[in-house]
Amino acid sequence: QKEVEQNSGPLSVPEGAIASLNCTYSDRGSQSFFWYRQYSGKSPELIMSIYSNGDKEDGRFTAQLNKASQYVSLLIRDSQPSDSATYLCAGGYQKVTFGIGTKLQVIP
Amino acid sequence: NAGVTQTPKFQVLKTGQSMTLQCAQDMNHNSMYWYRQDPGMGLRLIYYSASEGTTDKGEVPNGYNVSRLNKREFSLRLESAAPSQTSVYFCASSEAHRNQPQHFGDGTRLSIL
Repeated sequence: QKEVEQNSGPLSVPEGAIASLNCTYSDRGSQSFFWYRQYSGKSPELIMSIYSNGDKEDGRFTAQLNKASQYVSLLIRDSQPSDSATYLCAGGYQKVTFGIGTKLQVIP
Repeated sequence: NAGVTQTPKFQVLKTGQSMTLQCAQDMNHNSMYWYRQDPGMGLRLIYYSASEGTTDKGEVPNGYNVSRLNKREFSLRLESAAPSQTSVYFCASSEAHRNQPQHFGDGTRLSIL
């Protein structure tokens, strides 16, 4: 069992909707969590980090962390076709472990 | 702004051949990483270097060696390539106080026949 689990998708949402991407982790000692965006054939790009319980907002992106439930999520408001990519969740303590990524498709 | 530069971008090897993947960063970052990415497996850490002169094994180090030549450069060597090492390899770097990669190179697509 991977330490960080994600549904590979694809997750399809219409343009303008909220996309909700989810991730669970098994190591209760994990303290840092990150979301990366990876376009097809490109390298990952760090878009969000979250370290404490609650929500963290950055533009159209909101990261949510619930350490009691060992759950991390990324919400993308007003989804655009340019948001279509694979989103990688990563978390850990001294070193991070990556999930397999969720493919998001935003339909115009 | 070059960021993290990897060479080569593509490579085809025969089983048993050796090669070195090169990585350099110009952001004065202390930490550097090598990952491989395979379908259905996600990014897996091969080796990382927290600072110049130090290297540590990651999740999947077998069959690989690394050298942190200086603060800028971190190379990955396959001594005797195997088909199971066919993958996309990413180098990454981060500032000293962070434990996660911040900036990735464009990747090396390696096929071993």
